[in-house]
Amino acid sequence: QVQLQESGPGLVKPSETLSLTCTVSGGSVISGSYYWTWIRQPPGKGLEYIGYSSYSGNTNYNPSLKSRVTISVDTSKNQFSLELRSVTAADTALYYCARDEGCSGDRCYRYFQYWGQGTLIAVSS
Amino acid sequence: EIVLTQSPGTLSLSPGERATLSCRASQSVNSNYLAWYQQKPGQAPRLLIYGASSRATGIPDRFSGSGSGTDFTLTISRLEPEDFAVYYCQQYGSPPRMFGQGTKVEIK
Repeated sequence: QVQLQESGPGLVKPSETLSLTCTVSGGSVISGSYYWTWIRQPPGKGLEYIGYSSYSGNTNYNPSLKSRVTISVDTSKNQFSLELRSVTAADTALYYCARDEGCSGDRCYRYFQYWGQGTLIAVSS
Repeated sequence: EIVLTQSPGTLSLSPGERATLSCRASQSVNSNYLAWYQQKPGQAPRLLIYGASSRATGIPDRFSGSGSGTDFTLTISRLEPEDFAVYYCQQYGSPPRMFGQGTKVEIK
């Protein structure tokens, strides 16, 4: 059973860079054809897709965040990471990491069965 | 980018009643690759439906999904007390894999 666990600083100052890590257990980041995804949820609001990376570096980002986001996979640590630059108070949110179901044959199943518990990040001076 | 619009924003119903939630896409969703999630306070979302109509493992059969193209529906046939939550749709047919804004099902 795959398990995901986010870790991060909790508090980030405006204009700085937010860095989060998701540790994967019960499976390898290089197995299958999975996309390793970040999703966030501002307090009291809905889910916002941030983006994904495959272990080989295939990435996709939400257009509204694309200029500030990098998602990468560290195969040596079995982790993947989110970097969000130039943060503001609007980036305060619960950040989730998630894994999709990969591909079988020529069909890919990019819905999310596996989620971390989320880590709350506040942006404040 | 496909934009998903969910309606209504809030649904006030009593236990035992039927809930019908709508998700409309701004363009056709490839292969009907649409999922539904349930989220309760303090919890991560839980996958209910994928492929527009397939129930995820362990999901009760009172939950059903239907639709194709741009119009999709999640139906809860008889609301149980544990079903009062927020529900999100998500398209995964083409990136970016965006979510709808959610529908809250609350106790009337």
